[in-house]
Amino acid sequence: ELKVEQNPLFLSMQEGKNYTIYCNYSTTSDRLYWYRQDPGKSLESLFVLLSNGAVKQEGRLMASLDTKARLSTLHITAAVHDLSATYFCAVDNSGSARQLTFGSGTQLTVLP
Amino acid sequence: NAGVMQNPRHLVRRRGQEARLRCSPMKGHSHVYWYRQLPEEGLKFMVYLQKENIIDESGMPKERFSAEFPKEGPSILRIQQVVRGDSAAYFCASSPTSGLYNEQFFGPGTRLTVL
Repeated sequence: ELKVEQNPLFLSMQEGKNYTIYCNYSTTSDRLYWYRQDPGKSLESLFVLLSNGAVKQEGRLMASLDTKARLSTLHITAAVHDLSATYFCAVDNSGSARQLTFGSGTQLTVLP
Repeated sequence: NAGVMQNPRHLVRRRGQEARLRCSPMKGHSHVYWYRQLPEEGLKFMVYLQKENIIDESGMPKERFSAEFPKEGPSILRIQQVVRGDSAAYFCASSPTSGLYNEQFFGPGTRLTVL
């Protein structure tokens, strides 16, 4: 059974600081997704990582994938308040089932 | 291009009643997925459907829950005889008919409250 673990689960950081969220998964997969969810809202797709070594950046967020280590990171640079949200990673089991297995989420609060 | 549509957005039911949740995928998408999110948790896969076919229902509870995606009309997630533990946010996602990867686009969700 595929398991996806994120850490930390809760993260408070000050504006202007950098931090990294980690996503580990238990079985072979080369497709990993990062989503953002605001309270009471749906999930917004942030990044799709499709191969080992993939790196994608959008604004203050950068995501990377190491399929050999079964690890993805979401790095936040110079955080701003607007980044406060819950961030989920999800792994595609790469089989015919097509279901996504989600981590528990990292609730990020950026403090002024 | 409208995104994934779900209705109702909020649904209140008493124990023992039925809940029907609807999902219209994005235009050009023929794959539909239902996920459930309990408070403070990640999303859990329930079922994957294509038109008129259930492809994978491994995450669906064996009793009281059913899903369909008819040839015409939206996908329906049906919960019979609801219990308090069914209170959750139910998200529908869709993905394209063909494509290199399985990026799923999520609807706004239906928040079910069982009294």
